[in-house]
Amino acid sequence: AQSVSQHNHHVILSEAASLELGCNYSYGGTVNLFWYVQYPGQHLQLLLKYFSGDPLVKGIKGFEAEFIKSKFSFNLRKPSVQWSDTAEYFCAVNAPGGFKTIFGAGTRLFVKA
Amino acid sequence: SAVISQKPSRDICQRGTSLTIQCQVDSQVTMMFWYRQQPGQSLTLIATANQGSEATYESGFVIDKFPISRPNLTFSTLTVSNMSPEDSSIYLCSVELDSNQPQHFGDGTRLSIL
Repeated sequence: AQSVSQHNHHVILSEAASLELGCNYSYGGTVNLFWYVQYPGQHLQLLLKYFSGDPLVKGIKGFEAEFIKSKFSFNLRKPSVQWSDTAEYFCAVNAPGGFKTIFGAGTRLFVKA
Repeated sequence: SAVISQKPSRDICQRGTSLTIQCQVDSQVTMMFWYRQQPGQSLTLIATANQGSEATYESGFVIDKFPISRPNLTFSTLTVSNMSPEDSSIYLCSVELDSNQPQHFGDGTRLSIL
């Protein structure tokens, strides 16, 4: 069955540190990939998405993610985090015309001011 | 994009009772989804609700426990029946405008069962 793995459940960083959150999926076909963010007390919001084309995707708030097909990975990065990036981050995958969106377990990021 | 309104935003219910959650979308959508997010866990898809047909339930979820209605292209309800403390969770409505677009989520309904 298809699955999404997020390697880090909790991450604590200081402001200005660089961030990389891992995401791997298990599916051999064409996929759409997403990163969602959930700020404390708020609903899920889309950070960025990949459907096709340039595997390096830039999203809102300085986030980017790179799709590496050979590694079935879609890691999220940000060069310098801010306190306001404290949130939970979810990687998600679906297959166009195939399975519906499935979510990783989420990574809780806490940024120390 | 789509604006999704869920009601109620939160509720505290007694064991054995049922609660119906409403999801209203500001545009017509074919695909609507209901998710559950249990404390400290990720989102789990309960079912897909298409207008004019029976909802399609994921493994581990059944219609008797989570009946869903989808009377038109802008509205859906999810009922959590015969609730127990294990049903305490956030229930989220989501829509997909087309298969090549990300899903949009409502604010969720935070449900606590005593």
